[in-house]
Amino acid sequence: GENVEQHPSTLSVQEGDSAVIKCTYSDSASNYFPWYKQELGKRPQLIIDIRSNVGEKKDQRIAVTLNKTAKHFSLHITETQPEDSAVYFCAASRVKIIFGKGTRLHILP
Amino acid sequence: DSGVTQTPKHLITATGQRVTLRCSPRSGDLSVYWYQQSLDQGLQFLIQYYNGEERAKGNILERFSAQQFPDLHSELNLSSLELGDSALYFCASSATGEDTEAFFGQGTRLTVV
Repeated sequence: GENVEQHPSTLSVQEGDSAVIKCTYSDSASNYFPWYKQELGKRPQLIIDIRSNVGEKKDQRIAVTLNKTAKHFSLHITETQPEDSAVYFCAASRVKIIFGKGTRLHILP
Repeated sequence: DSGVTQTPKHLITATGQRVTLRCSPRSGDLSVYWYQQSLDQGLQFLIQYYNGEERAKGNILERFSAQQFPDLHSELNLSSLELGDSALYFCASSATGEDTEAFFGQGTRLTVV
């Protein structure tokens, strides 16, 4: 079945540094790749998404890249801030949305 | 507020019992997804409906069932509950059920004792 692998499971970075989270997917028919942020005790919320006809997308401090050939996609957060601390989920979708297991990001003061 | 409403917010029940979780999607959204999130676990896809019809199925146990009604609200039924079914159950909705953002409800916290 479809599977999404996400790494690392935990990531600690100094405030102001960059954070990178990487995902791979198994279903080559996937064509939509959203990223969600889940703060403690709250619902997951979309922070950025990318479609298969685009290789890169940027929104302020957040960027995503997609390599369809390798079935890899990544989230890049620059100039990290304390409010970036959360769990981040990547996902791959053709119809159903399959999520990775999440990355717990800690921003260190 | 995402516009997706889940009830109840919390549910405590005993092993062997049956419960029903309810989800009202955002206005205009035709597709509903159900996910299970256990402690420190990811979002496990259970099932998806589109305009009243089952569209995709994940690792949903036979003890679990769901449906989407003509008014597009959805219910997830969990029966013969076990301790391991304790989790946060999320409903999400999207406009088309394909290639579009899914908006999550606040979840139902199920505790089986």
